[in-house]
Amino acid sequence: KAGVTQTPRYLIKTRGQQVTLSCSPISGHRSVSWYQQTPGQGLQFLFEYFSETQRNKGNFPGRFSGRQFSNSRSEMNVSTLELGDSALYLCASSSPGTQYFGPGTRLTVL
Amino acid sequence: AQTVTQSQPEMSVQEAETVTLSCTYDTSESDYYLFWYKQPPSRQMILVIRQEAYKQQNATENRFSVNFQKAAKSFSLKISDSQLGDAAMYFCALLIYNQGGKLIFGQGTELSVKP
Repeated sequence: KAGVTQTPRYLIKTRGQQVTLSCSPISGHRSVSWYQQTPGQGLQFLFEYFSETQRNKGNFPGRFSGRQFSNSRSEMNVSTLELGDSALYLCASSSPGTQYFGPGTRLTVL
Repeated sequence: AQTVTQSQPEMSVQEAETVTLSCTYDTSESDYYLFWYKQPPSRQMILVIRQEAYKQQNATENRFSVNFQKAAKSFSLKISDSQLGDAAMYFCALLIYNQGGKLIFGQGTELSVKP
């Protein structure tokens, strides 16, 4: 089976812009979780989607949103970018009791 | 609230030797999973080993094994016959059974392997 894919791998944006990141899970997996990784805060859970519905949400402002499509692909959107949003964004594809990660999207906000 | 703590920010091991990384966690739930993930410089998060809380037997994957002490809420990772390719950041993580796909991570332990 193909692994988890994330696009794009790298992004450079300026403050105030918005960005959309994409994640395609492993075939057959219906759950996708998103995480933000920064040197200061470590790995933090953003949200999880299961069968097109948000099932879990972390403690992030409303500028961070997501959705999931009928083919289980998920997108994450960040609006009004701030410098502090610079991070590695990881998505994970879940089978019961296990999560497999994609390679991540490195977002730099200037 | 659930927490995961890794008290060793950095560890070092000689090639071919054995090293143990420590992890403690806190949860009031009885059904959960514990994981060790490896993140090399490529930043790809790789699943190393997984333990189901209801299983008393410690998980083993080739050179990697865990010491799961449920009562003490301790979950350490032992790497035997360390190889240069084992150098990476290692994260301990907790997944509560009835809370969907929310992994709670520790702060990580940076492992270096000396030739």
